[in-house]
Amino acid sequence: QKEVEQNSGPLSVPEGAIASLNCTYSDRGSQSFFWYRQYSGKSPELIMSIYSNGDKEDGRFTAQLNKASQYVSLLIRDSQPSDSATYLCAVMDSSYKLIFGSGTRLLVRP
Amino acid sequence: GAVVSQHPSWVICKSGTSVKIECRSLDFQATTMFWYRQFPKQSLMLMATSNEGSKATYEQGVEKDKFLINHASLTLSTLTVTSAHPEDSSFYICSARDLVGYEQFFGPGTRLTVL
Repeated sequence: QKEVEQNSGPLSVPEGAIASLNCTYSDRGSQSFFWYRQYSGKSPELIMSIYSNGDKEDGRFTAQLNKASQYVSLLIRDSQPSDSATYLCAVMDSSYKLIFGSGTRLLVRP
Repeated sequence: GAVVSQHPSWVICKSGTSVKIECRSLDFQATTMFWYRQFPKQSLMLMATSNEGSKATYEQGVEKDKFLINHASLTLSTLTVTSAHPEDSSFYICSARDLVGYEQFFGPGTRLTVL
């Protein structure tokens, strides 16, 4: 059973701080990784995709991938109250299906 | 770019009726579309995978005769909930993967309430 694990949170950070969200996965052969943001009552929105070891930056977001440790993370710099949402880590399997973690709820305090 | 639409955004129906939900990729062609269901405060649950021109592949435990999926073109997939019952009330979300990439883009979802 392929699994993706996330801490459910909530992760509470003050406005302006760095939020660090973590994810581990069980399938060592996985090659494609994604972070989605989901606001309450809305559908998921793609934030980042990452395929190679190392860091990938896009604006205030940085995704980090370490395949040897089977670990993916998302850093959000200068966190804003509007970043408060559930962040879903997803790993793509060989049939292009996404295996989702249960999500980490982030709360950014003004 | 990478916009996926769903219609309707919400629907209320009587028990025993059928409801059709459309999912369209507006600015790209989608090789594969996926249908998910999400109950309040729960994770996304993949229901089925549909590829253009072929039969959908359903996840274990999902009744294919109840949830009919048609992927008629590279931009349109439909989910029909047949003989809906109150327990089918949920948030149904589609996603689409384009022809060249691995990323999946989600539609805004359809909230179904069965009375």
